[in-house]
Amino acid sequence: EVQLVESGGGLIQPGGSLRLSCVASGFTFSSYSMNWVRQAPGKGLEWVSLVDATGAYAYYAKSVRGRFTLSRDNSNNMVFLQMSSLRAEDTAVYYCAKGGTRWTYFDSWGQGTLVTVSS
Amino acid sequence: EIVLTESPVTLSLSPGERATLSCRASQSVSSDFLAWYQQKPGQAPRLLIYAASRRATGIPDRFSGSGSGTDFTLTISSLEPEDFAVYHCQHSDGSSWTFGLGTRVEMK
Repeated sequence: EVQLVESGGGLIQPGGSLRLSCVASGFTFSSYSMNWVRQAPGKGLEWVSLVDATGAYAYYAKSVRGRFTLSRDNSNNMVFLQMSSLRAEDTAVYYCAKGGTRWTYFDSWGQGTLVTVSS
Repeated sequence: EIVLTESPVTLSLSPGERATLSCRASQSVSSDFLAWYQQKPGQAPRLLIYAASRRATGIPDRFSGSGSGTDFTLTISSLEPEDFAVYHCQHSDGSSWTFGLGTRVEMK
């Protein structure tokens, strides 16, 4: 059974930095892309970032490009989202999501970790 | 960037009724890159349909997807109590991934 467990969320002041982690199990981690998708309170889903299976390539939404960095550690089945210059509009539940056989969809999701950016 | 518009915003139906949800893309997209998710309150989304019409593992056959070009549909043939939730469509162009705002299916 695929399991994705996020951690690292919390309350952070505007302009601050935070690192989210996701540990994966139940599948061959090094064979799949991994993503972060966020959901602001009462809002829809917003894709944030994808890293390919090897960690060589990462893609970012325009809203976070230049502020967020996604990386992975295939030895320990983990992905990390380093977030800096945080803004109030980054407040959301952040979900770790496994990429499908193609990169086109997300076939497994964690339960999410809440990031609140507020002074 | 492709914009996905889901309609209706809210669908009020009774158990046993058929639900038809629409997802319209701002320009023509490949059906290979269109997916649907279900999300219940306080829970993570769950993949229902990928490549417009392929059911994900473990998804009951009362859920079906169809469509092409700019118009896609998620159909729930006969609503079960556990199907009342928010449904999201999603598209990928290979370097960005976008979601619609969702359709809430609520019990009448």
